[in-house]
Amino acid sequence: DAGVTQSPTHLIKTRGQQVTLRCSPKSGHDTVSWYQQALGQGPQFIFQYYEEEERQRGNFPDRFSGHQFPNYSSELNVNALLLGDSALYLCASSLRRGVNTGELFFGEGSRLTVL
Amino acid sequence: QQPVQSPQAVILREGEDAVINCSSSKALYSVHWYRQKHGEAPVFLMILLKGGEQKGHDKISASFNEKKQQSSLYLTASQLSYSGTYFCGTERPGANNLFFGTGTRLTVIP
Repeated sequence: DAGVTQSPTHLIKTRGQQVTLRCSPKSGHDTVSWYQQALGQGPQFIFQYYEEEERQRGNFPDRFSGHQFPNYSSELNVNALLLGDSALYLCASSLRRGVNTGELFFGEGSRLTVL
Repeated sequence: QQPVQSPQAVILREGEDAVINCSSSKALYSVHWYRQKHGEAPVFLMILLKGGEQKGHDKISASFNEKKQQSSLYLTASQLSYSGTYFCGTERPGANNLFFGTGTRLTVIP
């Protein structure tokens, strides 16, 4: 049973560019959450997708956007990259049960470096 | 909404015990605990729901005091494999998302 897979694992961009990160959730999971983890910090919640809609959003600007496809996979897009966007981007999948969160399964992450 | 964890870092010798605390300023529905080893993804340890329950996982257990909006993770007879950064994730009622603390780096030495 494949776990959560993310791509690419590493990438380097320059300021002002745009980036797309991809995530395939664990088999059977229908909810995808994205987190940004700066070096030495805890994961910061960006947003969550369920049934192809953004359901929850953290304190991130509109430059961060996403999408969920019918097969539950998801993309995170970041426009107009800033140096401060350099971080590990984690995708976490879960099975939605009611109104509260169950166990999250994390991918290995995509490490973005903005120069 | 980010919970506060303490201590920020702790070093233990094998066999020693440790307690990691997590505190929130908001009313909570649940507290989740995860461990992340260097260069790896966070891995789920346990969920505690409101009701003051205590859970255990091998020699790692946790408690949740919903009235104080606090949770503690207890590691007993620590092993080298316990090394890593521990994060608590807190969830408000009906929120369906987690906010993680800044983490506690635990190092177990022989």
